[in-house]
Amino acid sequence: SQQGEEDPQALSIQEGENATMNCSYKTSINNLQWYRQNSGRGLVHLILIRSNEREKHSGRLRVTLDTSKKSSSLLITASRAADTASYFCATDAKLGGYSTLTFGKGTMLLVSP
Amino acid sequence: GAVVSQHPSRVICKSGTSVKIECRSLDFQATTMFWYRQFPKQSLMLMATSNEGSKATYEQGVEKDKFLINHASLTLSTLTVTSAHPEDSSFYICSAILFGQRTDTQYFGPGTRLTVL
Repeated sequence: SQQGEEDPQALSIQEGENATMNCSYKTSINNLQWYRQNSGRGLVHLILIRSNEREKHSGRLRVTLDTSKKSSSLLITASRAADTASYFCATDAKLGGYSTLTFGKGTMLLVSP
Repeated sequence: GAVVSQHPSRVICKSGTSVKIECRSLDFQATTMFWYRQFPKQSLMLMATSNEGSKATYEQGVEKDKFLINHASLTLSTLTVTSAHPEDSSFYICSAILFGQRTDTQYFGPGTRLTVL
């Protein structure tokens, strides 16, 4: 069953602007991951934040995690047209000794030149 | 490193036929592979978890007799859609976890687009 819920469902911005996507979840997690998917393609792992971390950076990406609110945000700064893709959060509840990811519905980001 | 491939990338078949999709870890051994299904503009739904040398664990609502999974080696898992019907048309994605590593990151294949006519 789906756990993560992203909002907004779709986001349209201009190049150079920042894009913020939010993810909420329902149960306790081991970590939360963000993935990117270009249309009709596989997933690319962007960043992982553990349940004991509050913020993490990777290049133009900044992820926050608030376990008390069961929410996370992904910020892409200085967006580029090449950032156009769908972005998914996935929660890892680590059942049975290995990670089991539950994906949200995704945010479709469109960055216009 | 940690590249996962899928074959074929696209397949079109007639209703009633069976289709096999391969998922390979190219440069690492994978203890566990996962199979997901994604309908257009929707999220990934986990179908089953495949462990090398043992039976797959299917998620609730996924028919194990329809979606046969074989994980015969540490680098290959196959998903066979038996007696495919148009409603089975979807994007199937596999992922793998590195053998002997911390199991926090799954490496995803590029996906297989199945169209059943």
